[in-house]
Parts: sequence; structure tokens; C-alpha cells
Amino acid sequence: AQTVTQSQPEMSVQEAETVTLSCTYDTSESDYYLFWYKQPPSRQMILVIRQEAYKQQNATENRFSVNFQKAAKSFSLKISDSQLGDAAMYFCAYGVITGTASKLTFGTGTRLQVTL
Amino acid sequence: KAGVTQTPRYLIKTRGQQVTLSCSPISGHRSVSWYQQTPGQGLQFLFEYFSETQRNKGNFPGRFSGRQFSNSRSEMNVSTLELGDSALYLCASSLGQGYNSPLHFGNGTRLTVT
Repeated sequence: AQTVTQSQPEMSVQEAETVTLSCTYDTSESDYYLFWYKQPPSRQMILVIRQEAYKQQNATENRFSVNFQKAAKSFSLKISDSQLGDAAMYFCAYGVITGTASKLTFGTGTRLQVTL
Repeated sequence: KAGVTQTPRYLIKTRGQQVTLSCSPISGHRSVSWYQQTPGQGLQFLFEYFSETQRNKGNFPGRFSGRQFSNSRSEMNVSTLELGDSALYLCASSLGQGYNSPLHFGNGTRLTVT
């Protein structure tokens, strides 16, 4: 079974600084997707960034970028120029491709605090 | 474009009762997935529906069931509620083409079982 591990229950970063959230996963599949989702107090899960396993290039979305190490099964999220609005729970998620079915396996989350 | 709408936002039920949660996907989305979020177990996949057919199912007892209507709206039902069913239930919709169409989540229904 696939598992996703986020070893940092809480992280703190000062505004305008950079923070990296860690994620490792376990799978025997060769084709899969990895995601970072953000869950603010409003409870809605918001997609931050997505990475296809077959792509070697790390995904980036504005201030958010990932460091995808397929051999090490590591998928960390880097947030640059942190803003107060980045404070939230961040979940790493893994999805295996089985036709068109979608099923995500989530990590336990990292709570990010952003301080002034 | 309106997002994923889940109703109600909060529910309080008693052990042994049953409950039905509703999810309206984004217009044009044909796939609806349900997830249970608890402090102890985190986010766990319940099931996925596409064109009124259950396409995938998580490891939950038969008390948890769902369905999807022809307009892609989905309902989830939990019968014989247990205290452990207290959770945030999240619905997500997508176009239904695997991971080429990412999941869009609603704000969830907070279920409390007393």
C-alpha cells in the first residue's frame, strides 16, 4: 500500500523568508502524481502545486516550488517570500494512475505559521 | 464559476442514526470523490463516482455508501452512526480524466456524533 509521510507536524517562518516542507512517500508504481494541498481555517483544500512522476523537471507555481527526488521518493515544497496568507495546514498527497480513476493518499499534514 | 458546494456545513447526530451529506460539483465536472478527515486518521479516501457509477472505493465499512445523480450531484450516506464517524467530510470534483484534471474541494461538512 502507498504511504505518505510528513515528518514535520509544525513549522514556523518569518514573513518574506523561505521555508521548506518535507514529504516522503512509498510506492512500487512507476507512474504517479504528487500534490501539495493547502487547507486554511476555511477548511477548503486548495491545490498548490502538482508534479508528474515521469517529469524530471521540478514544478513551480509563482512563489511555490518543489524538489522532487524520485529515487529517494522525496517531494518537498519550498515557499519563497512567505506571506501571512500562507499560514495553513499543508498536505502532501500521492495519486496513482489507474485509468481515469482518481484516489489520493494524503500525509498527516504540516501546520505552517507565518510570523511578522 | 461556482465552486464545489457541500451541504449542510454542520451536522449533529446521535449514535445509531443515519445521515445524508450532499455535494454539488463544479459545473461540467463529472467526477465526485469523498474524503473523511479526522485528527487521528487524517484524510482518507471514501469513494469516487463518475457518470453515476462508483469507480473506486476506499477501505470503509458498508455503513458508508454514496451515489451520484445524472446531473453529477452526489450524496453520501452513513447509517447506524458511531462516535468514530465524527469527522469533516470533504467532497471534491474534477472533469474525470485522471490527474490531468485536478481535484477541486468543497468546504466540507462537519459531522458530530454524540
